[in-house]
Amino acid sequence: QKEVEQNSGPLSVPEGAIASLNCTYSDRGSQSFFWYRQYSGKSPELIMSIYSNGDKEDGRFTAQLNKASQYVSLLIRDSQPSDSATYLCAVKRTGADGLTFGKGTHLIIQP
Amino acid sequence: ETGVTQTPRHLVMGMTNKKSLKCEQHLGHNAMYWYKQSAKKPLELMFVYNFKEQTENNSVPSRFSPECPNSSHLFLHLHTLQPEDSALYLCASSQEGGSYEQFFGPGTRLTVL
Repeated sequence: QKEVEQNSGPLSVPEGAIASLNCTYSDRGSQSFFWYRQYSGKSPELIMSIYSNGDKEDGRFTAQLNKASQYVSLLIRDSQPSDSATYLCAVKRTGADGLTFGKGTHLIIQP
Repeated sequence: ETGVTQTPRHLVMGMTNKKSLKCEQHLGHNAMYWYKQSAKKPLELMFVYNFKEQTENNSVPSRFSPECPNSSHLFLHLHTLQPEDSALYLCASSQEGGSYEQFFGPGTRLTVL
């Protein structure tokens, strides 16, 4: 079983709509969860961190965490063409300092 | 300089060469990380240093040798690499090891011929 799983996409969403990105993880003891955005040829950029169950909102972005279901998601409201990128889910597993990443979801916002 | 910087940005080396990658963070952080990003594979953790002490080595081959002389600088020494080691090498830093947010540098694109 992969440790952090994401649908690789591409996920195509019309401009102005809500983009929903999903991630599941296998280590039930995982404590911290992060979403990064990576444009082609660039390094990952931190968008959101979430540590407790529920929703966390920051501007157009909302992260959702459900530890019982081992599921974390990222919603992007009012999607813009500039949101087109690969979104990486990262998890801090029990006892680790480093992060475990999923393969990423390629998001395309269609004008 | 701000954030996390990495040099060189691009590196081409032969299998018998020895080279070093450098990372510097200007964020006052105490933990630094090396990650490897290959095509079609997830970002892979290589090494973690927390307060200059190595706390994780993710079964990395000995041809990769990290060095952390202080909390602001991190090096990755390379020798006798293989073509499959060609990848984007990313450095990151965080306040401390563990649950703190990690911030990445721009990466070094390495090609091994």
